Amino acid sequence: SQTIHQWPATLVQPVGSPLSLECTVEGTSNPNLYWYRQAAGRGLQLLFYSVGIGQISSEVPQNLSASRPQDRQFILSSKKLLLSDSGFYLCAWSVGLTMGETQYFGPGTRLLVL
Amino acid sequence: AQKVTQAQTEISVVEKEDVTLDCVYETRDTTYYLFWYKQPPSGELVFLIRRNSFDEQNEISGRYSWNFQKSTSSFNFTITASQVVDSAVYFCALSEEGGSNYKLTFGKGTLLTVNP
Repeated sequence: SQTIHQWPATLVQPVGSPLSLECTVEGTSNPNLYWYRQAAGRGLQLLFYSVGIGQISSEVPQNLSASRPQDRQFILSSKKLLLSDSGFYLCAWSVGLTMGETQYFGPGTRLLVL
Repeated sequence: AQKVTQAQTEISVVEKEDVTLDCVYETRDTTYYLFWYKQPPSGELVFLIRRNSFDEQNEISGRYSWNFQKSTSSFNFTITASQVVDSAVYFCALSEEGGSNYKLTFGKGTLLTVNP
């Protein structure tokens, strides 16, 4: 069965510091991978998605970036965090290239920028 | 305009009551998919159901049931005989043909609190 891991689970970082959040998927090959952010107020915002190694699509321009160095690894980064980067970051995966594939989510990382 | 509207921000019920969570969507596509996810206090989104636009049959899974009505663009979710463990935020989401194949548009969620 497939599992998805995210770490760290929680993170407190000062403004201006760098960020690296990691997501890995087990039990599947060639997954589509996603990064979402959930800010206060509960809305989920798609940040990045990737359909293969080195292929990243950005949905929202901001000071975050994503990379996919391996098939089942997805990394969310920032060179300098802003207060507004605080939130709950969720990684998700799906398989297939057709519309409407179910996305399965990881446990999330809670980020607080002070 | 919101593509997925969950008008109920918060609902509070007493255990064993039935509760319906509303979801209204907006799309011009004839082919689309609708989803419901549950987010318990731990934070992980748990997939509940996926429904395509050509299948209007209602679905029942244990105490959960879903009512899909294209005529009113609604995909409502009912929990029968609610339990405390049902307390969570519930999200409705839409995947459209006209958009990116990979994009889910989420509603803002409904916080359900089931009191003992």
